[in-house]
Amino acid sequence: NAGVMQNPRHLVRRRGQEARLRCSPMKGHSHVYWYRQLPEEGLKFMVYLQKENIIDESGMPKERFSAEFPKEGPSILRIQQVVRGDSAAYFCASSPRTSVGSEQYFGPGTRLTVT
Amino acid sequence: ILNVEQSPQSLHVQEGDSTNFTCSFPSSNFYALHWYRWETAKSPEALFVMTLNGDEKKKGRISATLNTKEGYSYLYIKGSQPEDSATYLCASSNTDKLIFGTGTRLQVFP
Repeated sequence: NAGVMQNPRHLVRRRGQEARLRCSPMKGHSHVYWYRQLPEEGLKFMVYLQKENIIDESGMPKERFSAEFPKEGPSILRIQQVVRGDSAAYFCASSPRTSVGSEQYFGPGTRLTVT
Repeated sequence: ILNVEQSPQSLHVQEGDSTNFTCSFPSSNFYALHWYRWETAKSPEALFVMTLNGDEKKKGRISATLNTKEGYSYLYIKGSQPEDSATYLCASSNTDKLIFGTGTRLQVFP
């Protein structure tokens, strides 16, 4: 059973470009979470999605950031018009979510660098 | 807003030493406490999820305890080995989102 897959592992974008980060959850998991680690900080929750639904986006910046988890295919975190402050490691986790507090399994992360 | 604190920030021990670190969290509206082990350039690896006051969990030489009334959890490593070197993260949840501490970075010297 493959783990959570994220791609690309490293992404370099110039200011103003768009960044698309992909996350394929573990087989059988229909719940996906995105977390961000800014330099010198801990992991911070961004958004929680279930297939075709956003459940909690309380950690998402209000502008330029969006996330989706379509019926088919990976979850996508999209950042429009990137700025230097978006440079961070973005981690995705998935869960079978049998209950609140179910174990979340993390991917290796995408390191975004904005130049 | 949950605020999860971990101490110490970093720890250097000799191979064979036993060690422990602390995670403290707000005890109100608590649901679950998670421990992760995170090696550089790898995915955070889930170690334990605990929900009940007094819970104790063990995996090999690593064990954890939980006190939900006073809001803390301890992680113990018995007989540390160089391969235990990693950052140990704890996270608390009262909903589906995890609130992480900043971790304890452990280095075990041979």
